[in-house]
Amino acid sequence: EAEVAQSPRYKITEKSQAVAFWCDPISGHATLYWYRQILGQGPELLVQFQDESVVDDSQLPKDRFSAERLKGVDSTLKIQPAELGDSAMYLCASSSRTGRATEAFFGQGTRLTVV
Amino acid sequence: GESVGLHLPTLSVQEGDNSIINCAYSNSASDYFIWYKQESGKGPQFIIDIRSNMDKRQGQRVTVLLNKTVKHLSLQIAATQPGDSAVYFCAENNAGNMLTFGGGTRLMVKP
Repeated sequence: EAEVAQSPRYKITEKSQAVAFWCDPISGHATLYWYRQILGQGPELLVQFQDESVVDDSQLPKDRFSAERLKGVDSTLKIQPAELGDSAMYLCASSSRTGRATEAFFGQGTRLTVV
Repeated sequence: GESVGLHLPTLSVQEGDNSIINCAYSNSASDYFIWYKQESGKGPQFIIDIRSNMDKRQGQRVTVLLNKTVKHLSLQIAATQPGDSAVYFCAENNAGNMLTFGGGTRLMVKP
């Protein structure tokens, strides 16, 4: 069964350091999402891609966060410099584009701890 | 901003009983809704979805009800099992394919 792959699963970094997360969506899925989930809360959208284009990044803290999906397939989310408040689960999801909204499939996430 | 929310943060049920998890949404333009199950340390897992042209959809042991008049969504789980213990999120998806989540309800199943 096709899955969204994310790596690493866990990451511990010191504040002010740079950190990067990788996501490989399900093959053929044009839409890719990055979410941040703080413990005990629902996922919050950081950025949404349609193919290689950013559809929505209004909630992405652009002073420190960046995301790219250069070839419209896999994607990287970077934080530089990391802050203590960035500790959270970072989830990637993908969905197909058929003209109608469809379910998004999530990866297992990357648990980031900033110390 | 518009958001999706949940009425009950924690629901505790006896094994074998039916569970009902509720969700209120505020974006009247949303036309597609999804329920996700999230177990500890894992990503959300798709359970069931419903489009706005329907008011009920059934899956295996799960039923989703949509009341567009009051902007309310519910997930019913029949014969709840210990493996159903998790956090459940409703999410709404609008025409721009943007997926917005609510705060979640934790379901605890007592043996």
